[in-house]
Amino acid sequence: EAGVTQSPTHLIKTRGQQVTLRCSPISGHTSVYWYQQALGLGLQFLLWYDEGEERNRGNFPPRFSGRQFPNYSSELNVNALELEDSALYLCASSHGQGAFNEQFFGPGTRLTVL
Amino acid sequence: EDQVTQSPEALRLQEGESSSLNCSYTVSGLRGLFWYRQDPGKGPEFLFTLYSAGEEKEKERLKATLTKKESFLHITAPKPEDSATYLCAAYTGTASKLTFGTGTRLQVTL
Repeated sequence: EAGVTQSPTHLIKTRGQQVTLRCSPISGHTSVYWYQQALGLGLQFLLWYDEGEERNRGNFPPRFSGRQFPNYSSELNVNALELEDSALYLCASSHGQGAFNEQFFGPGTRLTVL
Repeated sequence: EDQVTQSPEALRLQEGESSSLNCSYTVSGLRGLFWYRQDPGKGPEFLFTLYSAGEEKEKERLKATLTKKESFLHITAPKPEDSATYLCAAYTGTASKLTFGTGTRLQVTL
């Protein structure tokens, strides 16, 4: 069974640019979660999508947004990039909604903002 | 504000030397306490979910326990392949979000 996949693996952008990160969940999983893992900090919850709807978001500004497609894949968009957006962005998926239970993580996208 | 604190930040053990990692939490409406393992450059790997105080779960050399204020991850007779960062996270149903600690970096040497 294929795991959670994310693309691209690495990305370098300059301040002010926009970026789109992509995630494909495990087959049969309807929930997708996005996290930011900055150096020296724990994983910070960004967004949770289930059945195409945004269910919750963490304490991040509106320039962080995303969506979930009918096939349950998801995109994370970050506008007006700032230096502190440099981090590993992780996507996870799980069965159903509600419990964040047994989230399976992808390998992440390493974003560097110069 | 929900808070999850892990200690120690780093731990170095010799092979076979058992120890425990601590995860203390201050959250409202805990629905579940999760443990993950993260290897360098990879996403976290799910280990356990604990739902109520007194609950224990085991997997190979790892055993997780939960009280009303903290959780412990006990590592019995660790091997070098157990070297990783161990993360705990609290799920609060009221906010429907997962709050992670910053992790304990474990190194097991021969």
